[in-house]
Amino acid sequence: SQQGEEDPQALSIQEGENATMNCSYKTSINNLQWYRQNSGRGLVHLILIRSNEREKHSGRLRVTLDTSKKSSSLLITASRAADTASYFCATAPYSGNTPLVFGKGTRLSVIA
Amino acid sequence: DSGVTQTPKHLITATGQRVTLRCSPRSGDLSVYWYQQSLDQGLQFLIQYYNGEERAKGNILERFSAQQFPDLHSELNLSSLELGDSALYFCASSGSGTGGTGEQFFGPGTRLTVL
Repeated sequence: SQQGEEDPQALSIQEGENATMNCSYKTSINNLQWYRQNSGRGLVHLILIRSNEREKHSGRLRVTLDTSKKSSSLLITASRAADTASYFCATAPYSGNTPLVFGKGTRLSVIA
Repeated sequence: DSGVTQTPKHLITATGQRVTLRCSPRSGDLSVYWYQQSLDQGLQFLIQYYNGEERAKGNILERFSAQQFPDLHSELNLSSLELGDSALYFCASSGSGTGGTGEQFFGPGTRLTVL
């Protein structure tokens, strides 16, 4: 079953602009992760934020987590055409090696 | 390259048939997960193995089964295939023990088409 709902479902921006994607989830979590998927290919882990963290940065990525609202956002700054992909949030109920529950994803198109 | 390999990349078969998908995890990873990605259901967790033992079960049909071998590679068996089983099947692996970060490494997937 889907845990997360990403918003928007699709996003189209110009190169250089910032892209913000949101994710909401339903149950308590240990951590939330964001993954990227290029068309029809495997998922690539981007960033993990734990339930006791509020914000995390990695390069041009910034993730926030609000456990009281059960929501997270992924910000990609200064986007590039190569950022064009689908982005998924995934939640883990426990720490360690546990199955992930994925949202439906946001399709990001960055136009050069 | 995630270090997770999956074979075959593509599989085309007919309804009622049986297929086997193979996955080799990253070196040292003891956990293997199988996920199914389809347009209508999205990414769904099917089953997890940890060091040869079944650890967790998700939305896996009774027609599907999996196992993890002593060398840690895993196979997903799909039988009595139906048109609706057409999907991308991903294998993922993660680090050993509960000290693992939880990050999963995904293979390139097997695209199954049932005609």
